[in-house]
Amino acid sequence: QVQLVESGGGLVKPGGSLRLSCAASGFTFSGYYMSWIRQAPGKGLEWISFITGSGDVIKYADSVRGRFTISRDNAKNSLSLQMDSLRADDTAVYYCARGYASTWGPFDYWGQGTLVTVSS
Amino acid sequence: EIVLTQSPATLSLSPGERATLSCRASQSLTSYLAWYQQKPGQAPRLLIYDISKKATGIPARFSGSGSGTDFTLTISSLEPEDFAVYYCQQRANWPLTFGGGTKVEIK
Repeated sequence: QVQLVESGGGLVKPGGSLRLSCAASGFTFSGYYMSWIRQAPGKGLEWISFITGSGDVIKYADSVRGRFTISRDNAKNSLSLQMDSLRADDTAVYYCARGYASTWGPFDYWGQGTLVTVSS
Repeated sequence: EIVLTQSPATLSLSPGERATLSCRASQSLTSYLAWYQQKPGQAPRLLIYDISKKATGIPARFSGSGSGTDFTLTISSLEPEDFAVYYCQQRANWPLTFGGGTKVEIK
């Protein structure tokens, strides 16, 4: 069965860095577009980044462009999000999600999420 | 950026009642509108995509409709497990965006 498992969240100081990972299993990872979506505590969902199956097309939300970097390793069935220059408003649960039917959305499978807390 | 406005923010209903949730877009989405359900402490679950297509395993009581900029998610008869927050999402343009959510609560 399809599984997405995020890891790497934690407490980090403002200005710090963190790297999130998403381990995928149960499907042909390289054939699917993937995204990162976050949810601040008690708030709604915010899409933040997208990558095609081959990694040749990448998109970012304005709120993270220039600070976050998405990447994937198809040999390891892994998706990553390098987060630099973190701010308090980056505090959220971060989900990796699969694009349905090899498209950029909607998102048919989600991980359980990993919490990132940015605080001094 | 396409803004999605969901209404109402909260819907108070009893089990067995019909729920009608609205999502209005700031520009036309063609058919690229999806709905998700999220329960506390859980990841969102895809219910409906491309306005009216049901995702795998979604019960028949859930249906989607609409066109252009106005869309509706209908739950024909609420079951206890349907009380949750519902989000609409568009993929017609970048950045992908979500609505602010509608909470369906027990009256």
